[in-house]
Amino acid sequence: QVRLVESGGGVVQPGRSLRLSCVASGFALNSYAMHWVRQAPGKGLEWLAVISYDGDYKYYADAVEGRCTISRDNSKNTLYVEMSSLTTEDTAVYYCATSVVITTYFDLWGQGTLVTVSS
Amino acid sequence: EIVMTQSPVNMSVSPGGRATLSCRASQSISNNLAWYQQKRGQAPRLLIYGASTRATGIPARFSGSGFGTDFTLTISNLQSEDFAVYYCQQYEKWPVYPFGQGTKVEIK
Repeated sequence: QVRLVESGGGVVQPGRSLRLSCVASGFALNSYAMHWVRQAPGKGLEWLAVISYDGDYKYYADAVEGRCTISRDNSKNTLYVEMSSLTTEDTAVYYCATSVVITTYFDLWGQGTLVTVSS
Repeated sequence: EIVMTQSPVNMSVSPGGRATLSCRASQSISNNLAWYQQKRGQAPRLLIYGASTRATGIPARFSGSGFGTDFTLTISNLQSEDFAVYYCQQYEKWPVYPFGQGTKVEIK
């Protein structure tokens, strides 16, 4: 079964960092560019970051530039994102998604992992 | 900065009816537009790409059209499983991929 599974969410204190993972099963992640997208409670979708299939290119949304780092380990079929200096505004469900190339739409999404930033 | 604007924000449609959703880009994006469906508590799912091409497994009652700045998603013969939130997204002006704010299609 082709799917993406995110993990690493939970409750995090303001100012701390977190690292989320996204594991692919049923296909090889190294053929795809990968994205992180988040959705605050009751809100819309916000694109955060993209990484090319080989990890050579990384781009970030202005809103998280400087405190978000996307990375991948194709040998483990896994995508990561690390967010630092968390605030309550970072409370959201975080999704990973694939795209065939970095310049196109998102064709497969994970089920998401909830991050709650709270003291 | 490119902005995607969807209208209406909410709409009520009777089962078996037709829903017409609009998406406008603040600048031309050719046909590099995708539509996603998100049901309550679920992840988004790709419906349409290239403004008008249905993704694998998407029923023919979903159709997309448009070019440049104005796009439409039409859902014909609405089924119970179609009541959801729909988002448009541009990918012409990569590497930014903004979404519209969404249109919620509810049962009338």
